[in-house]
Amino acid sequence: GAGVSQSPRYKVAKRGQDVALRCDPISGHVSLFWYQQALGQGPEFLTYFQNEAQLDKSGLPSDRFFAERPEGSVSTLKIQRTQQEDSAVYLCASSGDGGFEQPQHFGDGTRLSIL
Amino acid sequence: AQSVTQLGSHVSVSEGALVLLRCNYSSSVPPYLFWYVQYPNQGLQLLLKYTTGATLVKGINGFEAEFKKSETSFHLTKPSAHMSDAAEYFCALSNSGYALNFGKGTSLLVTP
Repeated sequence: GAGVSQSPRYKVAKRGQDVALRCDPISGHVSLFWYQQALGQGPEFLTYFQNEAQLDKSGLPSDRFFAERPEGSVSTLKIQRTQQEDSAVYLCASSGDGGFEQPQHFGDGTRLSIL
Repeated sequence: AQSVTQLGSHVSVSEGALVLLRCNYSSSVPPYLFWYVQYPNQGLQLLLKYTTGATLVKGINGFEAEFKKSETSFHLTKPSAHMSDAAEYFCALSNSGYALNFGKGTSLLVTP
């Protein structure tokens, strides 16, 4: 597709359930990023992949959060045993390289609500 | 440590008036600086970026920003606001070369 695609757009889960959020980056983009955006806040960095390698996961808030990109294209962000504080918009971005000569292109996000 | 402060969570301007959105940063090394715009229920779109070189940066939709190292600022301006400019604006920096550190955002309201 022409842009970064995220699915689902909206996800409602009960506290304690596991959820999986999908990101389809722009074809050929080497770098992939996940950000968490709480209501009324700016996005916060979660993790960064270059191809299939997860080079930085320092922003993941707890060991309940796990991200993967096994074939260097599609990525999944998984949250186990969800808590109410996990409610946020999760944004995925991709770029042609890891630097800033090429900008990060963002998807429309997945809005996660934990009841 | 690096951080971004956006002054004013809400800014209201009249259509045709000057837009000024303020951003100050703190960084121990020369930063890369960015402005992004976010429309409701959408992702972020890059308006402009400063990496090196010319300190006055021109972006899309008539926006520009000036990097002022002495003031640690990177304010966003547009000479004449349009109704379609109403959105959330985020200033961001990076000194890692990849991850972006965003401010809390400024909501721009444009009145007729």
